[in-house]
Amino acid sequence: NAGVMQNPRHLVRRRGQEARLRCSPVKGHSHVYWYRQLPEEGLKFMVYLQKENIIDESGMPKERFSAEFPKEGPSILRIQQVVRGDSAAYFCASSLDRNMNTEAFFGQGTRLTVV
Amino acid sequence: GNSVTQMEGPVTLSEEAFLTINCTYTATGYPSLFWYVQYPGEGLQLLLKATKADDKGSNKGFEATYRKETTSFHLEKGSVQVSDSAVYFCALSDPGKAAGNKLTFGGGTRVLVKP
Repeated sequence: NAGVMQNPRHLVRRRGQEARLRCSPVKGHSHVYWYRQLPEEGLKFMVYLQKENIIDESGMPKERFSAEFPKEGPSILRIQQVVRGDSAAYFCASSLDRNMNTEAFFGQGTRLTVV
Repeated sequence: GNSVTQMEGPVTLSEEAFLTINCTYTATGYPSLFWYVQYPGEGLQLLLKATKADDKGSNKGFEATYRKETTSFHLEKGSVQVSDSAVYFCALSDPGKAAGNKLTFGGGTRVLVKP
């Protein structure tokens, strides 16, 4: 019974390149959340998606960042033209439904380093 | 908006000592409250939760009580082990209808237990 799978675990990009982070939720989960964790800080909400729909993107930077959760396949967080400040750990979580009491399961994260 | 404040670390303890990590929150409505634990290089794991006032969450010897009057959810463990060394995050779920399981996190408290 696989949990949330994120890949790659580590990603190194040069400034100006694109980063694509993938998240496969727990089987049967249709709600996905992305969070960013800067060094020595807590996690900050970025975006909430439910199959093919963006429900809440209030934490997404206005430029260069986008997210999708297609009908088939994993959720993708895309960062275009990366800058050093994008270096962080990006975590994906999934839940079975939108009830606020439902447990959200987290992946192991993708650690992005921009050089 | 919602916010979570928890005591800064690091907290260094000897094995079998008593652990308390303070957490207070600000939220509109009635959120659910969570403690997550992050072991080195790993994602977050749910430790315990409480969904309404005066509820006590407990797991693995850890406890926390949802105190609405003081807007607090302090984490306690009576006798820590070296294996409890980790970063602990207090979080709340947004009670807004469209929020799903969107979480607001505190900054995390690093705990180091020495033998």
